[in-house]
Amino acid sequence: QVQLVQSGAEVKKPGSSVKVSCKASGGTFSNYAFNWVRQAPGQGLEWVGAVVPLFGTSTLAETFQDRVTISADESTSTSYMELNRLTSEDTAMYYCARETLVPEAGDLLIQSWFFDYWGQGTLVTVSS
Amino acid sequence: QSALTQPASVSGSPGQSITISCTGTRSDIGSFNRVSWYQHHPGKAPKVLIYDASERPSGVSIRFSGSKSVNTASLTISGLQADDEADYYCCSYAGASTLVFGGGTKLTVL
Repeated sequence: QVQLVQSGAEVKKPGSSVKVSCKASGGTFSNYAFNWVRQAPGQGLEWVGAVVPLFGTSTLAETFQDRVTISADESTSTSYMELNRLTSEDTAMYYCARETLVPEAGDLLIQSWFFDYWGQGTLVTVSS
Repeated sequence: QSALTQPASVSGSPGQSITISCTGTRSDIGSFNRVSWYQHHPGKAPKVLIYDASERPSGVSIRFSGSKSVNTASLTISGLQADDEADYYCCSYAGASTLVFGGGTKLTVL
C-alpha cells in the first residue's frame, strides 16, 4: 500500500525558513521522483520542483530558484522541501507527489511527468 | 513559465458531458505529449485522471477522457455525476525538467 506521509502544520514568522518532510512507503524509493506542489488560499496548484533520488538531481520552478531546496534521503525514504526567506505569500498547503520512473529504450529510466500518489498536504502559515 | 490557461468554471447537469480546455504554447503542450489532468476535491489530495494527454490510469473511470491538438489539451467527462463536482487542473511538461499547471477549473454539477 502506497503512502506519502507529510510532516505537520507549521506557523512561521516572515523571514524565517520551513522544512517539510514526506515519508514514502509501499515501493522502492529509488524508482520514483518526488515533486512538491503548493496551493495558496483560493488559488490553483503551483509546481515548486522535484528531486530524483536515482539520478541525484533536483529541479525547481524558476519562481523558487533562489529560495527552495528539495532533497531526498534514501536511507529513510523521505523527501524534504525547505523554503527560505518566508513571506505571507508563502502561506499555502504544500503537497508532495510521487512520480514513477518509467523504462525507455531498454533499461534507461526516465521521468513520467505525472503524479500517481500524493501526500496529505502540510499547511504552512506565515504570519507575524 | 506562465500557467496554462483553463476556463475558471464550467457546469453541466447529471448525465451530460462537459469538456475542459487547457491552452499552452509551443514551449509546453505544443512540444510534448506529457499532459496530465487532476481532480481535486477541497480538503483532499488531488487525484490523477489522465496522463500522456490521453492515457487513463487503472482504476479511473472510462467517463474521463483526454485529448490534445497543437497547443491545447482537453478533458472530457461524460455521464456527469454529482461526485464529479470538484476542481480540475491540467499539467504539462515544459522542458528543462520542469512542469507547469493550469489555473484550474471549477466544475459545478447542476
